[in-house]
Amino acid sequence: AQSVSQHNHHVILSEAASLELGCNYSYGGTVNLFWYVQYPGQHLQLLLKYFSGDPLVKGIKGFEAEFIKSKFSFNLRKPSVQWSDTAEYFCAVVIKGNTGKLIFGQGTTLQVKP
Amino acid sequence: GAGVSQTPSNKVTEKGKYVELRCDPISGHTALYWYRQSLGQGPEFLIYFQGTGAADDSGLPNDRFFAVRPEGSVSTLKIQRTERGDSAVYLCASSPDNNYGYTFGSGTRLTVV
Repeated sequence: AQSVSQHNHHVILSEAASLELGCNYSYGGTVNLFWYVQYPGQHLQLLLKYFSGDPLVKGIKGFEAEFIKSKFSFNLRKPSVQWSDTAEYFCAVVIKGNTGKLIFGQGTTLQVKP
Repeated sequence: GAGVSQTPSNKVTEKGKYVELRCDPISGHTALYWYRQSLGQGPEFLIYFQGTGAADDSGLPNDRFFAVRPEGSVSTLKIQRTERGDSAVYLCASSPDNNYGYTFGSGTRLTVV
C-alpha cells in the first residue's frame, strides 16, 4: 500500500536556525505532493505543493521544498525559523488519476524556542 | 461561508451511542473528503464524495461508519454503536472538482467515554 514517511517526529530548534523536515513516499507512479501546517488550535493549511515542473517549490512564509524523484523524497526547508513557526507539519501525496485522496505522513511537531 | 464549517467542534458521547458529524463545504465545491486524525498521527482518509455520490469509501473502517451528501453540498458522517477507539478528530475537506485545491475544516473532536 502507498505510504508517506516523515523521519522526524519532534524537532526543537532555536530561532534563526535552519530547518529541514524529511518526507519520503512509497509509490512508483506519478504523484502530487503537499506540505500542510497545523498551528495550535487551528485547521490544516497548505504550505506548498508540487504538481510538475521545477522540482524546487516555494511556498508561504519562506518555506520551500524540493522534489527528488529518484529518492521519492519531498523535504521541507526554511533557512531561518521563527517562534511563530511552532506547529505540526504534515507531508502528503495524491496519486495522479486516483480519487484525489491525500495520503498523509504521521506529522512532525516543530517547537521553536525564542 | 468563506471556509469549510464543521459542527459540532466537540462531541462527547457514551460508548454504544449513535453520533452524526456535519460538514458544510465551500459553496460550489463538488469534491468532499472525510478524514480521521488520531492522536499523534496524520489524517487518514475515510470517504470521498463527488457531488452526491460516494466515489471512494475504501477508508471507512467498518460498517458502523456511513456518510451521506444528499444534495451535493452538506455532508453528514454517521457512526453507529460508537466505541472508545472511535475517539479522534474528524476532518472534512472540500475542493473544486477533484483538482487538489483542498480546504480543510477545523474538525470535530469526538470523545467516546
